[in-house]
Amino acid sequence: DAKTTQPTSMDCAEGRAANLPCNHSTISGNEYVYWYRQIHSQGPQYIIHGLKNNETNEMASLIITEDRKSSTLILPHATLRDTAVYYCIVLEYNNNDMRFGAGTRLTVKP
Amino acid sequence: ETGVTQSPTHLIKTRGQQVTLRCSSQSGHNTVSWYQQALGQGPQFIFQYYREEENGRGNFPPRFSGLQFPNYSSELNVNALELDDSALYLCASSLGGGGKSYEQYFGPGTRLTVT
Repeated sequence: DAKTTQPTSMDCAEGRAANLPCNHSTISGNEYVYWYRQIHSQGPQYIIHGLKNNETNEMASLIITEDRKSSTLILPHATLRDTAVYYCIVLEYNNNDMRFGAGTRLTVKP
Repeated sequence: ETGVTQSPTHLIKTRGQQVTLRCSSQSGHNTVSWYQQALGQGPQFIFQYYREEENGRGNFPPRFSGLQFPNYSSELNVNALELDDSALYLCASSLGGGGKSYEQYFGPGTRLTVT
C-alpha cells in the first residue's frame, strides 16, 4: 500500500503554476519524498526528490513542510505537455520497493 | 547516451504459456527494476537486480523470475501465465549501490495481453 494520499485529479491553466499536494503523515525520519510523472503511453519520468529541505531543479520545485507530513510539487509555468499522472512516493534511501499509488491526474488546459 | 529500451512492444499470449520480456538499461547504469502496471493503476514493484543478483522483491509469486546479464541488461520471465498478468511491464534502470539511487529511468514498457 502506498504511504501517500494525493487528489485524484486537478486542472491547471496553461502558463500558470501547477501546485500538486501530497500527504504523507506517517513518513519516518529516513524516508525521502520522490515525485515521478507518467505521460500517457510512456514510462514514468523522474522529476525530483527531497528529504527535509526544499528542492528545485529545471523541471520543478518541491516544498516539504517542516513536520514533513506533506509536500507540494510546483510546476512554475505549466504547459500542455505537462498533462500527466503525477506520483508522490515516500521511500527509505536503502529500500528498493518503490510503491506508486494512484497518483494525481493533472490536466493543463489552454 | 542511450535510454532504456524494452522488447517486444506488444505481446499476446495464451493462459498457461510462458513469456520472456527484455530490457536494455541506460548506459552506465548497473541496477534494473521491473514493474507491473495494470490498466488505470500505478506501477507495482516486482523485483530489482543489482550487478546480476536479485536485490529485493515485491509481492509477486515465484513464477515471476528474472535475470541480469554482465552488460546489465535484464529479462523478466513469467511462467504459467494467468489472465490477471495482462498489464504493461515496465523496466527502469538506475545507478545504484545496492538499490540506493531512486532516480530511475523507465523504458516505454511491454504491453502483455493474456487470453
